[in-house]
Amino acid sequence: EVQLVESGGGLVQPGRSLRLSCAASGFTFDDYAMHWVRQAPGKGLEWVSSISWNSVNIGYADSMKGRFTISRDNAKNSLYLQMNSLRAEDTALYYCAKGRGSSASSSPERWGQGTLVTVSS
Amino acid sequence: DIQMTQSPSCVSASVGDRVTITCRASQGISSWLAWYQQKPGRAPKLLIYTASSLQSGVPSRFSGSGSGTDFTLTISSLQPEDFATYYCLQTNSLPLTFGGGTKVEIK
Repeated sequence: EVQLVESGGGLVQPGRSLRLSCAASGFTFDDYAMHWVRQAPGKGLEWVSSISWNSVNIGYADSMKGRFTISRDNAKNSLYLQMNSLRAEDTALYYCAKGRGSSASSSPERWGQGTLVTVSS
Repeated sequence: DIQMTQSPSCVSASVGDRVTITCRASQGISSWLAWYQQKPGRAPKLLIYTASSLQSGVPSRFSGSGSGTDFTLTISSLQPEDFATYYCLQTNSLPLTFGGGTKVEIK
């Protein structure tokens, strides 16, 4: 059974950094792309970033480009999101999701339960 | 970037009704569109990928159609467990973009 467990969320001050992690199990991690998707309280889904199976292809939403960095460690079956220069508008539940295929643009197929990031002074 | 416009933003319907949700892309995306269902407090669930392919385990009352810029998600006979918010997502090119969502409410 596919399992995705996010961690690393919490309360952080504006301008500070946070690193999210996603531990994957139940599938061959290095065969699939991975995504981060977020949802601000009471709002819709917003795609954040994705990474291909081999880390060659990476994409970011415009509002996160230059501030967020996605990475993966296939040996550890783990996905990461380094978030710098955090803003109040980055407050959201951050989901990790497995892609249907190996391409960074493959549809997110299975999702974790999310980790909450709150940016506030 | 490709913009996705979803409509309506909210629909009131009864059990047994046929419900249609549309999504329009700002440029052609071939069939690279997915549909998701999200219930309150839950993670999204993939329903449809590549515009019309039903994800494993999803009931056949859900169907998707369209290509290019215009897409439709249809629920043929609404069931109590289908009251939720639905989102489209274009997967044609990075950055991926979601539609704004459609909340299906009980009439």
